[in-house]
Amino acid sequence: NAGVTQTPKFQVLKTGQSMTLQCAQDMNHEYMSWYRQDPGMGLRLIHYSVGAGITDQGEVPNGYNVSRSTTEDFPLRLLSAAPSQTSVYFCASSYSEGGASPYEQYFGPGTRLTVT
Amino acid sequence: AQKVTQAQTEISVVEKEDVTLDCVYETRDTTYYLFWYKQPPSGELVFLIRRNSFDEQNEISGRYSWNFQKSTSSFNFTITASQVVDSAVYFCALSEAGYGQNFVFGPGTRLSVLP
Repeated sequence: NAGVTQTPKFQVLKTGQSMTLQCAQDMNHEYMSWYRQDPGMGLRLIHYSVGAGITDQGEVPNGYNVSRSTTEDFPLRLLSAAPSQTSVYFCASSYSEGGASPYEQYFGPGTRLTVT
Repeated sequence: AQKVTQAQTEISVVEKEDVTLDCVYETRDTTYYLFWYKQPPSGELVFLIRRNSFDEQNEISGRYSWNFQKSTSSFNFTITASQVVDSAVYFCALSEAGYGQNFVFGPGTRLSVLP
């Protein structure tokens, strides 16, 4: 199993550009999520999905879109990049008993994004 | 609303010392889950433990132990006889049960173990 994979590992964008961060998992996990990690702030939830076709907002959703057309993939789209979106982005997945009992999340290696 | 506080921003210890990382949480739910993750300098996030709110037994895994106290809303993590390889940022996290599983992470504690 590859686990959770993310591409790219590094990305530099200019203000106003758009891009998609890719995330895929091969563990058949229902639950997937995106976090951003900034110094001193831990990980903050951007968006999450409890299954294909179902997504919801987390703590810091503004400026980001997601979709979940398959169980395996959960891409994160930056609509118009801003310097405030400079961060490290982590995708995660976990098993979920129909959403009742959260299990440990498996994290991808992260994408380091810089917006100039 | 959920909240996780890790008041210790950075801790330095000398190898073989014991160290305790504090985690205090807030939630209105009676059913919730607590987690600890380790982020070594290489950057990946490694799962350490999951505990539900109905299980207050302390847990020991090798040099690691966890003390869960509902009365003080704390879930502290102790490393016994610390080693240089324990140097990392440690995160405590909380998730309430039910639809959505909104995970909330604390800000992390950076542990440096000096040789």
